[in-house]
Amino acid sequence: KNQVEQSPQSLIILEGKNCTLQCNYTVSPFSNLRWYKQDTGRGPVSLTIMTFSENTKSNGRYTATLDADTKQSSLHITASQLSDSASYICVVSARNTDKLIFGTGTRLQVFP
Amino acid sequence: NAGVMQNPRHLVRRRGQEARLRCSPMKGHSHVYWYRQLPEEGLKFMVYLQKENIIDESGMPKERFSAEFPKEGPSILRIQQVVRGDSAAYFCASSPGRENYEQYFGPGTRLTVT
Repeated sequence: KNQVEQSPQSLIILEGKNCTLQCNYTVSPFSNLRWYKQDTGRGPVSLTIMTFSENTKSNGRYTATLDADTKQSSLHITASQLSDSASYICVVSARNTDKLIFGTGTRLQVFP
Repeated sequence: NAGVMQNPRHLVRRRGQEARLRCSPMKGHSHVYWYRQLPEEGLKFMVYLQKENIIDESGMPKERFSAEFPKEGPSILRIQQVVRGDSAAYFCASSPGRENYEQYFGPGTRLTVT
């Protein structure tokens, strides 16, 4: 069964600190993996999208990694800001399909 | 270029009524996707449409739910005879192509069934 699991479920950090969020998936055959940021009450916003051949991609203070062999991905946030408080969702797509399979997200809270 | 628009943002319906959710994709996008997010759960795929065609509706309940994306106008997700379990946030996304293209999400419609 195609699944995406994320950890931790929630995370609290202090402003300025770094953090890393994890994603494991069992989607096959793999097409691409995306990380989205979802603020409360809003739609998800794309941070990165990686295909099989890419193992790292950055977007400002966000850096995503992908290990297609172990089916794991991580999202590293550097020098966190209060505005980083949101849910971060790992999303995987299987080849030859248009469906995205969503993880349940990691809820990050950044405190001053 | 305006983003994906959804309306209404909030919709309250009594049990048994119909709910009609609208989605206008980004300009130039002909691919529309509908997702449902139950409280404290991840988004779940419902249906994928391309202008005038339903490409994949495998995530949509067979009863009471229907979707369309006419040649002119927004995509519509219709829920007939709503029940309390339909209460959720419904998100629409659009993209210019399939598979590896980025999907841009709208702000969602929050449906509450009383």
